Amino acid sequence: SYELTQAPSVSVSPGQTATITCSGDKLGNKYAWWYQQKPGQSPVLVIYEDSKRPSGIPERISGSNSGNTATLTISGTQAMDEADYYCQAWDSSTAVFGGGTKLTVL
Amino acid sequence: QLQLQESGPGLVKPSETLSLTCTVSGGSISSSSYYWGWIRQPPGKGLEWIGSIYYIGGTYYNPSLKSRVTVSVDTSKNQFSLKLSSVTAADTAVYYCARLSETSGWYYFDYWGQGTLVTVSS
Repeated sequence: SYELTQAPSVSVSPGQTATITCSGDKLGNKYAWWYQQKPGQSPVLVIYEDSKRPSGIPERISGSNSGNTATLTISGTQAMDEADYYCQAWDSSTAVFGGGTKLTVL
Repeated sequence: QLQLQESGPGLVKPSETLSLTCTVSGGSISSSSYYWGWIRQPPGKGLEWIGSIYYIGGTYYNPSLKSRVTVSVDTSKNQFSLKLSSVTAADTAVYYCARLSETSGWYYFDYWGQGTLVTVSS
């Protein structure tokens, strides 16, 4: 079965750039989707089709996908960005989620 | 504004069947543009897709759960449901229902319910 791998945690200082990666076999040949989940809340889509932002998502959140790695980048990280981030891809009509990365804004 | 609300027992005994219903309000479950799905999240862990259904009944299931899962839809009630059989403690999780919208031939989860915790215990 297809697997997506994420680092369990990433820490960043306020105002700095946070980089969260998601690895999977030939992931660059698929689309990557990213969801943000804050404590006690349901997930929210922040990036679709590798790099597109839904309405209401700030421009400082961006995404890319190439080779075996999709990347979520948060520029000028703010305290409100502290959350769990999950990548997701489709493999043979199956939705696969990464294990999630906890972003801590120190 | 579309809303999804999960309902069902919060406690299920081992070996029994977990049954949940998602009620959709503010929109029609019979729209041709969407799928409807279930995702779960064990306490302190990540998200796991369970399965999805189209309003006329086409279904897709997570291969790891397929033998135990049934997702169905009731368009007259604007609801869809999840049944997971032979549950164990490993099935303890927050269960979310969600709408899947299409873009460029792919689907993404755009509306989620608030989630409901189901505990498997005797």
